[in-house]
Amino acid sequence: DAKTTQPPSMDCAEGRAANLPCNHSTISGNEYVYWYRQIHSQGPQYIIHGLKNNETNEMASLIITEDRKSSTLILPHATLRDTAVYYCIVQWGNEKLTFGTGTRLTIIP
Amino acid sequence: EAGVAQSPRYKIIEKRQSVAFWCNPISGHATLYWYQQILGQGPKLLIQFQNNGVVDDSQLPKDRFSAERLKGVDSTLKIQPAKLEDSAVYLCASSLDPAINEQFFGPGTRLTVL
Repeated sequence: DAKTTQPPSMDCAEGRAANLPCNHSTISGNEYVYWYRQIHSQGPQYIIHGLKNNETNEMASLIITEDRKSSTLILPHATLRDTAVYYCIVQWGNEKLTFGTGTRLTIIP
Repeated sequence: EAGVAQSPRYKIIEKRQSVAFWCNPISGHATLYWYQQILGQGPKLLIQFQNNGVVDDSQLPKDRFSAERLKGVDSTLKIQPAKLEDSAVYLCASSLDPAINEQFFGPGTRLTVL
């Protein structure tokens, strides 16, 4: 079973920052937070992951609260190509990824 | 760098028939995964290989599903006989280091069982 809770859907205006929340209140100390996204008719795509500290790469930023019970994925300048289902996954070591139903993000022109 | 290749992209069969899917992972990736994604749900892991050995097949319906990765590179997933509920997208993924869990997914095979 997924260990995370995400809103089923969100809209964001093109060019604005998209902030996708994820709750993982039962996360344990050695579990990482992973984000993947799945564009329609494609396989999932890795975005970013983190343990405690905030992380940033060329695609997105990941903000993890100090108590690690929630996190936010930030797409700083959303484009139409960012329309996808975004999955937040909590996982330890080489434990298998367990995908929930994710958040369907729609970027509005 | 070439991505994960899968074939066929689409397959339609009747129930009780058999079907096979093929996956070629990214070169050098020792870990290979097969997922099943039913419409409206997230992908579910069916089986994980490390080189040519099975690491996890706890969610593989072994009475009808089988998978192999004989030379530690390409892999084949087979369903025999297929049921209506097997209609789904079958995704293959590979990773360089399973501990990091950055998986690279192929485009998937959409299976329709009539």
